[in-house]
Amino acid sequence: DGGITQSPKYLFRKEGQNVTLSCEQNLNHDAMYWYRQDPGQGLRLIYYSQIVNDFQKGDIAEGYSVSREKKESFPLTVTSAQKNPTAFYLCASSIEGGSTDTQYFGPGTRLTVL
Amino acid sequence: QKEVEQNSGPLSVPEGAIASLNCTYSDRVSQSFFWYRQYSGKSPELIMSIYSNGDKEDGRFTAQLNKASQYVSLLIRDSQPSDSATYLCAVNSRSNDYKLSFGAGTTVTVRA
Repeated sequence: DGGITQSPKYLFRKEGQNVTLSCEQNLNHDAMYWYRQDPGQGLRLIYYSQIVNDFQKGDIAEGYSVSREKKESFPLTVTSAQKNPTAFYLCASSIEGGSTDTQYFGPGTRLTVL
Repeated sequence: QKEVEQNSGPLSVPEGAIASLNCTYSDRVSQSFFWYRQYSGKSPELIMSIYSNGDKEDGRFTAQLNKASQYVSLLIRDSQPSDSATYLCAVNSRSNDYKLSFGAGTTVTVRA
């Protein structure tokens, strides 16, 4: 059963903590993305990767870090430097990251700062 | 100016009517255009993609693209209560390194 999985579904973070959100895909897609969604706003790109061991900052990368050690995995760490991390985090993937590629989304992780 | 703009709504339509959603974009070299549907608390799912000027139909959904006017729309015919959701317009342009830019979404409510 092909698709994108994200875990956990809900995550609670205390002030000063780093947390890592998991994203795995078995679609054999080269490109993977992390977005953040806040109420009433569109999706904003945090980081993206078009190939293993390479990734680029998106529009709001400050306070976040990623790695791409395997094609199927693209974890996102929300660091204590991210001052307002409460949001819905969405992972997506696409075949190559080209201009006509469709991005497919995982189910999301809802992060709340306590 | 935002890269992708949508009417935020909410757009309320009676069951069986046509819902018309609009989206404008600022990057003239944009090449690919997508409509996603997002139910409350869920992730976006692709409804339509369109790349050339004109209309593209898929079931009850029609996407319309006019690159000269930098405008893309989505029509939902015979609207059903299950169509009640937020619809996101996304634009992928070469000048933005193929990254998708999303509008804030239009919330549609279909009244039974």
